[in-house]
Amino acid sequence: ILNVEQSPQSLHVQEGDSTNFTCSFPSSNFYALHWYRWETAKSPEALFVMTLNGDEKKKGRISATLNTKEGYSYLYIKGSQPEDSATYLCALGNAGKSTFGDGTTLTVKP
Amino acid sequence: IAGITQAPTSQILAAGRRMTLRCTQDMRHNAMYWYRQDLGLGLRLIHYSNTAGTTGKGEVPDGYSVSRANTDDFPLTLASAVPSQTSVYFCASSAGVLAGVLYSSPYNEQFFGPGTRLTVL
Repeated sequence: ILNVEQSPQSLHVQEGDSTNFTCSFPSSNFYALHWYRWETAKSPEALFVMTLNGDEKKKGRISATLNTKEGYSYLYIKGSQPEDSATYLCALGNAGKSTFGDGTTLTVKP
Repeated sequence: IAGITQAPTSQILAAGRRMTLRCTQDMRHNAMYWYRQDLGLGLRLIHYSNTAGTTGKGEVPDGYSVSRANTDDFPLTLASAVPSQTSVYFCASSAGVLAGVLYSSPYNEQFFGPGTRLTVL
């Protein structure tokens, strides 16, 4: 079983703050790293898939970077808004199945 | 149907009873998955299927069984429910690739159903 770790487990920020969190994974036999956004009472939805070392993806105020050599990915949120409150999951893609981290739960206070 | 659906939405079940959670997708995805979500533990994979007719065990398969008779359906059965199986269950699917055999691509995102909240008393 691959070990995918996310930190911090939870995060509370004020509206307008920028924030980031980390996903760490084994760097050997890397295929892809996925980020999902999971709002309370809903289902996880895909944000990004990242495959190449140095990849940077952006969607609005959310961006992510990937370092496959050292085995980590950062997710950044610029100018957090209350609607950004959610659990952010990363998942290491592998043939047959993915391994999910436990997520970082972000709460943005107005 | 659009996407992936699960039934029932929620269920309260007596311990020892048999229960089947249903999952259906209309995206013609070859790969399907069952996860359970418990507080503080994220998503844990129970079983998966790369294509119709094949299944595999995930992290926490004990007490659960699955079948994949066709592309669209992937039911999860609890043969004799126990209280520790109280959880929220998510079904997911993803598109695969054909490389000799059809398998789940690590590059494709998973699409999740709305979840089934199961309480075993």
